[in-house]
Amino acid sequence: GDSVTQMEGPVTLSEEAFLTINCTYTATGYPSLFWYVQYPGEGLQLLLKATKADDKGSNKGFEATYRKETTSFHLEKGSVQVSDSAVYFCALGAQKLVFGQGTRLTINP
Amino acid sequence: DAMVIQNPRYQVTQFGKPVTLSCSQTLNHNVMYWYQQKSSQAPKLLFHYYDKDFNNEADTPDNFQSRRPNTSFCFLDIRSPGLGDAAMYLCATSREGVRSYEQYFGPGTRLTVT
Repeated sequence: GDSVTQMEGPVTLSEEAFLTINCTYTATGYPSLFWYVQYPGEGLQLLLKATKADDKGSNKGFEATYRKETTSFHLEKGSVQVSDSAVYFCALGAQKLVFGQGTRLTINP
Repeated sequence: DAMVIQNPRYQVTQFGKPVTLSCSQTLNHNVMYWYQQKSSQAPKLLFHYYDKDFNNEADTPDNFQSRRPNTSFCFLDIRSPGLGDAAMYLCATSREGVRSYEQYFGPGTRLTVT
């Protein structure tokens, strides 16, 4: 069945550091790919998405590119802020969303 | 703004006492989902409605039921909550036919069982 594997956390960085959170997937067909972010005590917010191979999703300085050849959708940001501290979930969408296990990110000032 | 609303945000119930969580949406989406999430784990899908058609996940306990009286509202009923049912419950919506299968989440209801 479809599955998503995320980089294990927690991840701790200093402010203005470069961020990469790895995400790889296994799927039949051509699913859409998503990154959701969850701040403490809140629901999930869609951060970015890509619906086909080579698409790049971007939002709030975050980017991820749908790589079919490596079955990956890694999340990147060039300069993180304290306010980026949250849990990040990679997910693939077909009939249902299949989530990765989540990566907790903490940014220190 | 169009949104998904969950009430209450925090709910405390007693062991074995039935509880209902509610979700409403102004997005006019035809699909609504209920997830259970524990301790920042990935959300676990309990069931979803495609219009009025109810779709239960195979491993969802019978203790969990749902109602969708109309397009805008969906309820999660826990008939006899156990301590293990303490969790964050997330409602989400999507519009079938949209290629991306993007889901929109509410803020969640945190359930405590005493």
